[in-house]
Amino acid sequence: DTGVSQNPRHKITKRGQNVTFRCDPISEHNRLYWYRQTLGQGPEFLTYFQNEAQLEKSRLLSDRFSAERPKGSFSTLEIQRTEQGDSAMYLCASSSQPDTEAFFGQGTRLTVV
Amino acid sequence: AQSVTQLDSQVPVFEEAPVELRCNYSSSVSVYLFWYVQYPNQGLQLLLKYLSGSTLVESINGFEAEFNKSQTSFHLRKPSVHISDTAEYFCAVYRQGGKLIFGQGTELSVKP
Repeated sequence: DTGVSQNPRHKITKRGQNVTFRCDPISEHNRLYWYRQTLGQGPEFLTYFQNEAQLEKSRLLSDRFSAERPKGSFSTLEIQRTEQGDSAMYLCASSSQPDTEAFFGQGTRLTVV
Repeated sequence: AQSVTQLDSQVPVFEEAPVELRCNYSSSVSVYLFWYVQYPNQGLQLLLKYLSGSTLVESINGFEAEFNKSQTSFHLRKPSVHISDTAEYFCAVYRQGGKLIFGQGTELSVKP
């Protein structure tokens, strides 16, 4: 297993366009998390899944954001009608248990122009 | 509510000097604490963690952190830093459900 994989690594999009990111967790991990990190800040929690169930969403996750994890494997994060304020690094992490180490992917850097 | 404060946004230090990166947390319940390291344009890597037991935890590359419940601190230390330690360091506290609350980060810059 090569760890948590995120695609694409970089995405440049025009304001108003929709974008979708993918995260492939470590195969035996049933928990998957999404975080957003802006320049000079620590990651901020967005949402998490246990298997296919989305158990919590942060207030940061506006109506333009949606995340899915069909079949409890990979996950997608979609942002509709992107805004310049959405520019950030989007990080995915997975873990096998809630109180064990979360392994992070390398992130998807989104730039909205 | 739980929160994490990293007291220094930037720490410049010369190679082979000791360093301490400070982290304070607020929590009304038992805590699990973590330090993550992030190299440029990379994701986060776990450096060390405190879950229970000994309050002094160590990493494989010479870092250590001490959980101090009375001072609500989890400072990261290394007695002698290397150029390769240059990175951003994040302190985090585990919150119910497994999500992490991160501090703002400390940029460690090691100069020759």
